[in-house]
Amino acid sequence: DQQVKQNSPSLSVQEGRISILNCDYTNSMFDYFLWYKKYPAEGPTFLISISSIKDKNEDGRFTVFLNKSAKHLSLHIVPSQPGDSAVYFCAASAGGSARQLTFGSGTQLTVLP
Amino acid sequence: DTAVSQTPKYLVTQMGNDKSIKCEQNLGHDTMYWYKQDSKKFLKIMFSYNNKELIINETVPNRFSPKSPDKAHLNLHINSLELGDSAVYFCASSQSRGEQFFGPGTRLTVL
Repeated sequence: DQQVKQNSPSLSVQEGRISILNCDYTNSMFDYFLWYKKYPAEGPTFLISISSIKDKNEDGRFTVFLNKSAKHLSLHIVPSQPGDSAVYFCAASAGGSARQLTFGSGTQLTVLP
Repeated sequence: DTAVSQTPKYLVTQMGNDKSIKCEQNLGHDTMYWYKQDSKKFLKIMFSYNNKELIINETVPNRFSPKSPDKAHLNLHINSLELGDSAVYFCASSQSRGEQFFGPGTRLTVL
């Protein structure tokens, strides 16, 4: 039973364009959402998070949007850079904290020069 | 300075053996975690632990046990290894309810 789903296993984008990574969740108790980036042979690195009391959070080139009614969140990267090529994991938790994370299966982003 | 470190990076062993993976964090965090990344690339939490509370994912076999000699270390012991235990294991830490920082992973192969 996948409570966090990333339905696109891969995404390719031209350098300088926008990358949009999507994530859906089914558990209505989730109230805190995070995106992690992972390079090969490394552990995931925290990128950005959003609480369910917000619908948008921005940090530099990265923006996360949350649509609670649709149980959907997305990560926008603008402009995309070749160094952004990595696997992006969406994660969710309940209770307003980053403990007990439930992860999606990841999306491989490739930014083409 | 590595924030969260794991040893070994690779571990190849025979079925039935007992092995340990070590994890250390130098961030002063109060909570540590173990995750398993399976063949389908899902990261699934196995344990979360601070000095007051151990939370075990109910799907984890009792052959797996976390051991914390101090606040900066959470080691993972695995008894009677099985083929299905082959995976990448990640350690992580966080300060209370904050974001988790991950180690580089340990690839375990059971033959």
